[in-house]
Formats: sequence, structure tokens, C-alpha cells
Amino acid sequence: DVKVTQSSRYLVKRTGEKVFLECVQDMDHENMFWYRQDPGLGLRLIYFSYDVKMKEKGDIPEGYSVSREKKERFSLILESASTNQTSMYLCASSDQGEPSRETQYFGPGTRLLVL
Amino acid sequence: GDSVTQMEGPVTLSEEACLTINCTYTATGYPSLFWYVQYPGEGLQLLLKATKADDKGSNKGFEATYRKETTSFHLEKGSVQVSDSAVYFCALSDDNQGGKLIFGQGTELSVKP
Repeated sequence: DVKVTQSSRYLVKRTGEKVFLECVQDMDHENMFWYRQDPGLGLRLIYFSYDVKMKEKGDIPEGYSVSREKKERFSLILESASTNQTSMYLCASSDQGEPSRETQYFGPGTRLLVL
Repeated sequence: GDSVTQMEGPVTLSEEACLTINCTYTATGYPSLFWYVQYPGEGLQLLLKATKADDKGSNKGFEATYRKETTSFHLEKGSVQVSDSAVYFCALSDDNQGGKLIFGQGTELSVKP
């Protein structure tokens, strides 16, 4: 079974702090994604990566950056956390192939509260 | 741009009732369509998918048919169980968009015994 793990289930941070959210997948997947989930808005794509050291902006990249130094690990960085970044963050991975047809496998999510 | 619209929740049903959650989409290319489910406290998991028009995806008693003429992918189940209580997300993925998933807002389903 594909396993996607995220470093924390719950996180509380202060405004202005630098926050790191880590995601690891164990299936040698090429593609990795970071989404945020907010009530009434569904999931929105923040950043994604199709290969090591590669990154692409999603729909809402402002205030975030990412790092992919190893194939299995994809980190989301909040450079200076703000209260409007309080959300559920979900990481996903998918295999190489025809991108639109590949299933994405999700981690359990990190619920971040910024005070 | 591409988008997905699904019926608003919450939806509350009694056990063994029929379920339909409507989903319609707009897309510039030829998308694949997905239903993901999120059980309480968990991440999303794929429920079913269809990659071309007229395909039917099915899993765990749920079904959805890719209808290009009505741009729809409605989720159906003939007899729901309490364990089906979850949030259901319709999504599309389009090669024109680099394969990223575009989600609807989610529909919460609550099944009462």
C-alpha cells in the first residue's frame, strides 16, 4: 500500500514564525503536491513537484515556498506565518505516467493554527 | 479555467437510503474525473475514477458515470450505511493543466441508523 506521512497532525504557531511542514512518501512516486483545505472551498493547490529539485506554483503559492531535495520528501515552508494561513494542509503523491490519469495518494493532513 | 461544482451539504440520510451527490464540471480539454472520500480525521482517498466519456467508475457500491454531454459525474449508491458518513469530493484532472487536480468544495454526508 502507498503510504504518505506528514510530520505533524496538529501544529500551533505564532504570527511571523517560520513553519516547516514535512511530507514523505514510500512508493518512489515522481510527483508530489501540497494542498490546503478550507471549509466551503475544497482543496486548493499550493505547489507541486514532478521531480527532485523541481517545483511549480499551483493556484495559491503566495506566502509559501517548497523544497524537494530527495525524491521521497516534499517540504512546505511558510516563510512568515500569518493568521490567514490557519488551515488543514494535505500532501499527496502520484506515480509518473499520464498526469491527468494518475491517482493521487494523500497523507492524513496537518491542521495548522496560527495565533 | 477548469472548475468543478458539486451539491452543497450537509446531506443527511437514513441507513439503506439511496444517495446521489451531483457533480458538474467545466474543462477546456479532455479531463479525467475522480471522486475522493475523506473519513473523519483522515486524509483523502480515491473512491473511484473515470478517464474518458461514458466510462463508469465503481467501488464499494458507489458508482459514477462520465457524461460528456451533460458535463456531469454524479456519485450514486443504492443503499448507504452509517460507515459511509464522510466528506465526498469531486475532482477533475486535465492534461491542459499539467495533470493537477481541481476539486469541488466537498459534500458532507451523514448517515443515521
